[in-house]
Amino acid sequence: DTGVSQDPRHKITKRGQNVTFRCDPISEHNRLYWYRQTLGQGPEFLTYFQNEAQLEKSRLLSDRFSAERPKGSFSTLEIQRTEQGDSAMYLCASSSPTRGIGYTFGSGTRLTVV
Amino acid sequence: GQNIDQPTEMTATEGAIVQINCTYQTSGFNGLFWYQQHAGEAPTFLSYNVLDGLEEKGRFSSFLSRSKGYSYLLLKELQMKDSASYLCAVRDGDYKLSFGAGTTVTVRA
Repeated sequence: DTGVSQDPRHKITKRGQNVTFRCDPISEHNRLYWYRQTLGQGPEFLTYFQNEAQLEKSRLLSDRFSAERPKGSFSTLEIQRTEQGDSAMYLCASSSPTRGIGYTFGSGTRLTVV
Repeated sequence: GQNIDQPTEMTATEGAIVQINCTYQTSGFNGLFWYQQHAGEAPTFLSYNVLDGLEEKGRFSSFLSRSKGYSYLLLKELQMKDSASYLCAVRDGDYKLSFGAGTTVTVRA
């Protein structure tokens, strides 16, 4: 069990470019979450997958954001036409209702839009 | 909507005790979590309360009063490595966590 992995750790992009982040959850966890965290704030929920099904999307997730979990394992989060307001830490977490109550977070991808 | 409040900052001396309070008003309640987050790192799970009372785990304890919408995290025998942000989070349904803004604890020598 290597925990939740996120790639890349850091991403600097120009405004208007598209970016994609990857999350590899703990293999036994069927639930996967994306959160966004800005400086001095707690994580804000973006979206939730149970296996490959995306069951909830926050209103924070505009049409420029899309997330997938095609085979119920890794997940990707894509942001199209990035804006400076998208600059944040994007955290992925996973959990399993049958394997303890904790949510395990990855170290995040820090996005800076210039 | 969800409203979760915790103090922004706290400072304490090495070896002392610090209590971080969290109050919440949420549409539902299915457990309260405390996470520790060092700068630039992932939040790590500290404790979970779903019933009223105190849960103790080593130097860390967490308390919950559902009727008051109140929890606290107690850190005893503070060490320098405890300097971090502490996040209170409420699960209001089956899976989603709503977080407070976090409390930055600074431990001084």
